[in-house]
Amino acid sequence: GNSVTQMEGPVTLSEEAFLTINCTYTATGYPSLFWYVQYPGEGLQLLLKATKADDKGSNKGFEATYRKETTSFHLEKGSVQVSDSAVYFCALGRGGAAGNKLTFGGGTRVLVKP
Amino acid sequence: EPEVTQTPSHQVTQMGQEVILRCVPISNHLYFYWYRQILGQKVEFLVSFYNNEISEKSEIFDDQFSVERPDGSNFTLKIRSTKLEDSAMYFCASSDGQSYNSPLHFGNGTRLTVT
Repeated sequence: GNSVTQMEGPVTLSEEAFLTINCTYTATGYPSLFWYVQYPGEGLQLLLKATKADDKGSNKGFEATYRKETTSFHLEKGSVQVSDSAVYFCALGRGGAAGNKLTFGGGTRVLVKP
Repeated sequence: EPEVTQTPSHQVTQMGQEVILRCVPISNHLYFYWYRQILGQKVEFLVSFYNNEISEKSEIFDDQFSVERPDGSNFTLKIRSTKLEDSAMYFCASSDGQSYNSPLHFGNGTRLTVT
């Protein structure tokens, strides 16, 4: 079946540091890939997505590239801010007649200190 | 920007009681979902709903669970007889279905505590 593995946190960084969160997946077929972010007290918000191999998703300074050869979708940001402190979830989407069913990784908590 | 809204934000109930979690999906969306996250565990798929019927459900979604779209705006999850292990954050989501890859938009969740 489908599965997503992402690095465990918490990840603690200083402001303006470089952030990488690793995500690898196992899937049949050609899934779509997503990063969601959960700020304290809020729901899951779509951060970025990629729907096919070599696509790069980007938003708010975050980027991730769909790498089929390594089955990875690592999230990166060049210079983090305190406001980026949140839990980040990598997810795999298996679209079909039932909609786009998502399989989530375990989430990575990121804490950015001033 | 349109958003998915869920009520209540926190529900406390006694074991064996029925609970109904409510959601208002984004108005022009066609697919509706419920997910849950037990504390410290992954976000898990429960059920998807399309065209007024369940399109897929997980093993978790047993006979104690049901979903309904009673009118044109609400989407509800009912747990008939709650168990301690049903304590979790429940997320409602919707998608527009314009493509198989359409992203899901999530609500802020309802934290269910079963005592």
